[in-house]
Amino acid sequence: ETGVTQTPRHLVMGMTNKKSLKCEQHLGHNAMYWYKQSAKKPLELMFVYSLEERVENNSVPSRFSPECPNSSHLFLHLHTLQPEDSALYLCASSRNKNTEAFFGQGTRLTVV
Amino acid sequence: DQQVKQNSPSLSVQEGRISILNCDYTNSMFDYFLWYKKYPAEGPTFLISISSIKDKNEDGRFTVFLNKSAKHLSLHIVPSQPGDSAVYFCAASGGTSYGKLTFGQGTILTVHP
Repeated sequence: ETGVTQTPRHLVMGMTNKKSLKCEQHLGHNAMYWYKQSAKKPLELMFVYSLEERVENNSVPSRFSPECPNSSHLFLHLHTLQPEDSALYLCASSRNKNTEAFFGQGTRLTVV
Repeated sequence: DQQVKQNSPSLSVQEGRISILNCDYTNSMFDYFLWYKKYPAEGPTFLISISSIKDKNEDGRFTVFLNKSAKHLSLHIVPSQPGDSAVYFCAASGGTSYGKLTFGQGTILTVHP
């Protein structure tokens, strides 16, 4: 138990669906992140939020839309995804810059 | 352009012996380095970190060494245990990127009883 909880753990969606991934951290951290891990690739940073403000968008397509309503919650809204978007989506949080990030267990997303 | 590389996809070690996992980086702006361990169907778990002002950091059976001139870091696990079998990722951050971790591809460690 890392203190970062992601739901759902598994998600299958069609290309025309709209769904959301949820992340919650109970660590009092100031920064939250979305990472993507595709098969046989390193983890790739998607978005960084610091104190609820998006500080980085790593050239992610607009079909992925993050939302950070407060410092404990982070969402990733998904719409009109492609099959190549199937991957493990990981949420993480950290106290501040240059401290270790703690990861949730991830959401395994399959787009059909 | 991969800025963090783990050139060994896998490593097999006997229980009780030393496991040495290696990582190379190219970005001289990196000043903070981490190792994570990942089991199947779980998120990465933080193991140990080192900042660029140090060349060694130790935590129990885990020691990370940093060679800045060679842009190389390594993770030593002594003694290795079967429960250490997992995928190990090195990661780096630094410069102006706020908390942005750049990960290597991972090394699968198998510790045989």
